[in-house]
Amino acid sequence: QSALTQPASVSGSPGQSITISCTGTTSDIGNDNYVSWYQQHPGKAPKVMIYDVASRPSGVSDRFSGSKFGSTASLTISGLQAEDEADYYCSSYTTSNTVVFGGGTKLTVL
Amino acid sequence: QVQLQESGPGLVKPSETLSLTCTVSGDSITSGGNYWTWIRQPAGKGLEWIGRIYSRGSTNYNYNPSLKSRVTISVDTSNNLFTLKLRSVTAADTAVYYCARERVAPGTSYPAPWGQGKRVIVSS
Repeated sequence: QSALTQPASVSGSPGQSITISCTGTTSDIGNDNYVSWYQQHPGKAPKVMIYDVASRPSGVSDRFSGSKFGSTASLTISGLQAEDEADYYCSSYTTSNTVVFGGGTKLTVL
Repeated sequence: QVQLQESGPGLVKPSETLSLTCTVSGDSITSGGNYWTWIRQPAGKGLEWIGRIYSRGSTNYNYNPSLKSRVTISVDTSNNLFTLKLRSVTAADTAVYYCARERVAPGTSYPAPWGQGKRVIVSS
């Protein structure tokens, strides 16, 4: 199974909005709605920010939102804050009942 | 509150078997709807899904095809934990290993919580 494709890096200024894309195939993202997004700060375990494409766990800021069109999922962070600077990973179920991750995107808050 | 904690040797010799345990508290390892998962992350690199197990009555497994020939995930219901065994390790298996719970129901899959991670180095 091939990793999902994410941009290596994105950046934005405080208060701005950014979007991170995650591109897969019809064998993963395009097949169902089990797409998740994780935030990882240095030295910490990943934290789920979005699941089921657009659902947000309790306690996660509503500045984080998810969407999907075809085989590409997206994570949007609005009102960027310094604390949002982290690595972000997407994941998806596959048609083989496995899970595949994206390569990760480093978000820099300027 | 559900918590997961990885444990095991931090150093494994090449060609030997890496064995890690994930102890679960706050939930039963045999609860319906729970998949128990292993993920790893080499230093400075991305996440790699290793596999998962579902154990309620019967036991179901799913493994990453690239690791399937070397991996075994099992549960210990008496101690409410699950284990990872990775055989014939090389330096490429050096990583932080995470365990996680995935709550699954029709139309939803919620991959949390995760353990804090266990760093494993493969070296002689």
